[in-house]
Amino acid sequence: QVQLQESGPGLVKPSQTLSLTCTVSGGSISSGSYYWSWIRQPAGKGLEWIGRIYTSGSTNYNPSLKSRVTISVDTSKNQFSLKLSSVTAADTAVYYCARGGYGSGSLDYWGQGTLVTVSS
Amino acid sequence: QSVLTQPPSVSEAPRQRVTISCSGSSSNIGNNAVNWYQQLPGKAPKLLIYYDDLLPSGVSDRFSGSKSGTSASLAISGLQSEDEADYYCAAWDDSLNGYVFGTGTKVTVL
Repeated sequence: QVQLQESGPGLVKPSQTLSLTCTVSGGSISSGSYYWSWIRQPAGKGLEWIGRIYTSGSTNYNPSLKSRVTISVDTSKNQFSLKLSSVTAADTAVYYCARGGYGSGSLDYWGQGTLVTVSS
Repeated sequence: QSVLTQPPSVSEAPRQRVTISCSGSSSNIGNNAVNWYQQLPGKAPKLLIYYDDLLPSGVSDRFSGSKSGTSASLAISGLQSEDEADYYCAAWDDSLNGYVFGTGTKVTVL
């Protein structure tokens, strides 16, 4: 059973960089036809896709966040990471990592989510 | 602002059937697979339907999906209190070159 777990600071100051890591267990991040995604959800609001990475290193980002987002993968650690620069209060949200499948693009395994608050 | 539009809420009595619509365009629903997610209160989303109408292993067959043109629908039959949740449609958007979620629909069991 694949499991994903987000980790990182729960509080980030405005203008700084938000950094999160997702650790994958129960299977190799490199096996199969999957990609690895980040999604966020502000309190009381809907889901927003941030971006995804293939283990080849190829990435796709949400156009509205593209200038501030970097997603990377470390296959040796079975992890992938998110960096979001120049954060503001609007970036306060629960951040989820998830596994996606080729073809349908469906996200079949999700982490439990981690709340990141942007505040001084 | 999402490019996939859903009704904010739907409600129905137990054992009845509800349908949630998801309206998009030719660049997303019209040309790509639609997926549906269920988000119980305080929990991470869960994949409910993929490739328009397929159920992942373990998902109740009370849930069903369909698609026609640039719109998709999720139906829940035999509504139960445990179905109270937020439901999101999603699809790849070729114009945005990104994955888009619907606005979300809250299902209430009366």
